Amino acid sequence: EPEVTQTPSHQVTQMGQEVILRCVPISNHLYFYWYRQILGQKVEFLVSFYNNEISEKSEIFDDQFSVERPDGSNFTLKIRSTKLEDSAMYFCASSETAGWGNTEAFFGQGTRLTVV
Amino acid sequence: RKEVEQDPGPFNVPEGATVAFNCTYSNSASQSFFWYRQDCRKEPKLLMSVYSSGNEDGRFTAQLNRASQYISLLIRDSKLSDSATYLCVVNIGDMRFGAGTRLTVKP
Repeated sequence: EPEVTQTPSHQVTQMGQEVILRCVPISNHLYFYWYRQILGQKVEFLVSFYNNEISEKSEIFDDQFSVERPDGSNFTLKIRSTKLEDSAMYFCASSETAGWGNTEAFFGQGTRLTVV
Repeated sequence: RKEVEQDPGPFNVPEGATVAFNCTYSNSASQSFFWYRQDCRKEPKLLMSVYSSGNEDGRFTAQLNRASQYISLLIRDSKLSDSATYLCVVNIGDMRFGAGTRLTVKP
């Protein structure tokens, strides 16, 4: 069964450092997403990406964040200068068709980011 | 009003019980609706889509009331393996999640 894969599974970084979280969405999917979940809290939308550009982003997704699809398979989330409050589980997701529509999003297993 | 609001829970029920979760959403233009399940420290996984006519999948029944902007999930004959957090998800062009309702099924 096709799946979304994320690397690394756990990343520890020092405050102020840049991190790049990597995702390989399902190959025939066109929409890509990043979500985060702070421990014990809800899953929060960060950004959606379609046709090589950001479709939507939340207020959390400020100038510290950026996304890129550098090649035909990877989808990355970069945090430029990490803060303690960026510590969370980051989930990548992809879906086959346009965001509007009864299509499910498939989630990767997540990257746990710990900022120390 | 929150985009997606769920029963706060937690729900602690014995095996075999019937349990119902409720969810309301604020965006009347929402097009599609889902229930996801999330196990501890794992990714959300689709449990079922929710259709206007209501739909059933084994022990699980989902209902949608567009007029009231309300979604429900009913679990019958609950099993120990049903213990998880249930997430109400609304598609407004991207997926927006409720805070989740934690269910613990006890022997």
